[in-house]
Amino acid sequence: DAGITQSPRHKVTETGTPVTLRCHQTENHRYMYWYRQDPGHGLRLIHYSYGVKDTDKGEVSDGYSVSRSKTEDFLLTLESATSSQTSVYFCAINLAGAEDTQYFGPGTRLTVL
Amino acid sequence: AQSVAQPEDQVNVAEGNPLTVKCTYSVSGNPYLFWYVQYPNRGLQFLLKYITGDNLVKGSYGFEAEFNKSQTSFHLKKPSALVSDSALYFCAVRDMGGTYKYIFGTGTRLKVLA
Repeated sequence: DAGITQSPRHKVTETGTPVTLRCHQTENHRYMYWYRQDPGHGLRLIHYSYGVKDTDKGEVSDGYSVSRSKTEDFLLTLESATSSQTSVYFCAINLAGAEDTQYFGPGTRLTVL
Repeated sequence: AQSVAQPEDQVNVAEGNPLTVKCTYSVSGNPYLFWYVQYPNRGLQFLLKYITGDNLVKGSYGFEAEFNKSQTSFHLKKPSALVSDSALYFCAVRDMGGTYKYIFGTGTRLKVLA
């Protein structure tokens, strides 16, 4: 447990509605990530952050935006949810430096009807 | 482009037998390689990593992995499988282009049969 929490843990929403997922860490790590996990695709990076207000796109960033206004929180927003965004979303942090290891949150299961 | 492949969707092994979960990679330069395990309805847990040094890396729960540069492989192994090892296993490689991005394989489901 690297002090990572995700909220909500489960959410059901309708197509076209905005959704925001929150990732919170307690240990001041610089790097934070959002992934989605889908059968047959493994984990795919959506966005990541390398500091407050510093973010970069991953391989599946279309339809998603992120914000990081303070070190401990990394928000993932689906501006207008679609059924193809039904997935399990994982947040991760990286200890970086000599550790260079990612640690994952418990995940958020999102269903878009 | 850097990538990682897990050629087997599922591996079945009898309890007490040795297990191997395969991973091959394609990166420029020296790779940073990782194995993670995911139990049902849980997040991923770090098992072990190779960054430099001894080609045989030991990790959590009795797992180990062998880095083979000539075969560009990083197979996960355990001498004696337990039913409780049944889970989804992911191999990952760090992007070596100056970022802290990681590329994950598609996962291998390990089933240990009693």
